[in-house]
Amino acid sequence: NAGVMQNPRHLVRRRGQEARLRCSPMKGHSHVYWYRQLPEEGLKFMVYLQKENIIDESGMPKERFSAEFPKEGPSILRIQQVVRGDSAAYFCASSPRGEGASGNTIYFGEGSWLTVV
Amino acid sequence: AQKITQTQPGMFVQEKEAVTLDCTYDTSDPSYGLFWYKQPSSGEMIFLIYQGSYDQQNATEGRYSLNFQKARKSANLVISASQLGDSAMYFCAMREGGNFNKFYFGSGTKLNVKP
Repeated sequence: NAGVMQNPRHLVRRRGQEARLRCSPMKGHSHVYWYRQLPEEGLKFMVYLQKENIIDESGMPKERFSAEFPKEGPSILRIQQVVRGDSAAYFCASSPRGEGASGNTIYFGEGSWLTVV
Repeated sequence: AQKITQTQPGMFVQEKEAVTLDCTYDTSDPSYGLFWYKQPSSGEMIFLIYQGSYDQQNATEGRYSLNFQKARKSANLVISASQLGDSAMYFCAMREGGNFNKFYFGSGTKLNVKP
């Protein structure tokens, strides 16, 4: 687990504000994943990125949510005009490689808890 | 249909006893991987154990073992000699050969270990 850094750990936003969640993958990992955990539920896939590329965003809501993983710097999950239903834990994970490595787990960060008031 | 089903929202076990957490899965892909994660109250997701669909033997990692019954599509986690520190949420997850980049998670089982 150690190594995937997420910040902030806790974030409070008022409805209509923007939330930005950052994730630095483990050293040597070039694949980043974002998952969302609603209260009392399991994690749900949102998006998979490599450097400068979005590979799979099939789990991202169509509006207000975006993600990037620039050449330099952390991956960012951005939520615009937040609503109460966006309150959740957002987990970032990373892996050294993606497709084809069935036995490899992905390594999760400690999560960012977003509360929308 | 749910990809991963965990039917036990909560479980209690006495310290030092063994406990089995149930997980069933649904996939038509012949190649898949099954994972268990632990989420303590602090929130992080801790990888515990992995089982591949072609593995002949059940996976074991210390006090954790995975009871893999392929025909029944079940992948139960067995924790032997429970400890107080095992109290946490436990999630079963699967990734399919068609898309190894996406994990499907169950809704979790909250395990409480009693002294």
